[in-house]
Parts: sequence; structure tokens; C-alpha cells
Amino acid sequence: DTAVSQTPKYLVTQMGNDKSIKCEQNLGHDTMYWYKQDSKKFLKIMFSYNNKELIINETVPNRFSPKSPDKAHLNLHINSLELGDSAVYFCASSRGQMNTEAFFGQGTRLTVV
Amino acid sequence: AQSVTQLDSQVPVFEEAPVELRCNYSSSVSVYLFWYVQYPNQGLQLLLKYLSGSTLVKGINGFEAEFNKSQTSFHLRKPSVHISDTAEYFCAVRTNTGNQFYFGTGTSLTVIP
Repeated sequence: DTAVSQTPKYLVTQMGNDKSIKCEQNLGHDTMYWYKQDSKKFLKIMFSYNNKELIINETVPNRFSPKSPDKAHLNLHINSLELGDSAVYFCASSRGQMNTEAFFGQGTRLTVV
Repeated sequence: AQSVTQLDSQVPVFEEAPVELRCNYSSSVSVYLFWYVQYPNQGLQLLLKYLSGSTLVKGINGFEAEFNKSQTSFHLRKPSVHISDTAEYFCAVRTNTGNQFYFGTGTSLTVIP
């Protein structure tokens, strides 16, 4: 009954590979996010979707492509992985109303070797 | 533009001592304020939030925070910390005009036995 779930939790892959991270929320929220947390714990917004529509697209290499098949799912596909992509990626969701918090998944630790 | 500043990147404190983690924000519009905690290898969990009303808000695990509009601050406090409070703490704001959460750079709290 996890509210925001991500898979996989750990991902180790070689440079140049393509990988996907899946995210699902069962809270009925209409907004979902992807954040990247670097080795210094800094959280950077990457993308945000509202009702399957992209509303935030920060300066992220176009090797990163989010896909939202429905408002409960937001997947992240990464092409041609590079060493610098190694980080923890968090999915989150919230209701569209501004006075509400975000709920986070457990994170996916991506290691590119 | 909005920004969140957590001045202390690391805070060591002895067990049962009080602690204050500082957070200041900058915004030209009204904001909603949040504190999250991240335990090792886990996602972010909401500690408390300020939406409106009383400026002193209480959260989980004995934490509280006070919203000070004139000083644009939202400092987190606990009167007596436990070893289990050792974690990373993030301050975040959400404006009443946008969907994005803006996070501070985090404060690493270490409780010393």
C-alpha cells in the first residue's frame, strides 16, 4: 500500500546504456515530479507533470525523457548513460492545490560504471 | 524567483540537547513552507508544514517550527534530540502561483551520544 513507489531501488549499468525508472502513485494526485539528488544531497527538480501534461522541464540533457501514460504513473527514460548521471532519483506527487505537500518515493540509486 | 537558504550544512549536537535548524526563503509572493527529513537510504518524509494560521506549527517526532514573515524564516526546533534524529533535513517552499517545490541545500544533523 506504498503511496509513491519507484522501481528499481538500485540500478547499476554501464556507460552508453539506456535505462528506465518507473514511478507509480496511488494517492489520486494529479501532479508528479522527478528530482535528482546528487552526492552532496542537493535536490534538483527535473520534470513535473500535471494530469499527464508536462509543466516543468528544467535544464536537463535531452537524453532524459519523462513519460506519463496516465496521471498515476510517471516514468523516466535515460538514453546513452554517462558517469555524471550517477545519482539518486526521486519521484514525488502532490495534489494540484498549492497548499499541499509532496509525497516522495524511496528513490532509485543509479550508478553508471 | 524563489529561493531557500539553509545556512548550516552540518549541525552536530549532543543527545538530549536542544537544536535549531535554520531556514530562510526569498519570494515575492505568498508561500507555503515545509520541513522534510531524509533518513539514510530513504526518501523524504514530511516533518511539518505551515499553510496559514498560527505561526508555530508542530510536527512529528517532537519537532516544531515557527514562521516569521518579517524575517522570511521558518526555523526548525526540537527541545531534546535523540540518536534517531540523525538525518538530513530539508526546508522547502511552494508558492501560491506555481506547482514547483523549492528545496534548500539540506542540513545534516548528527546527534552525538
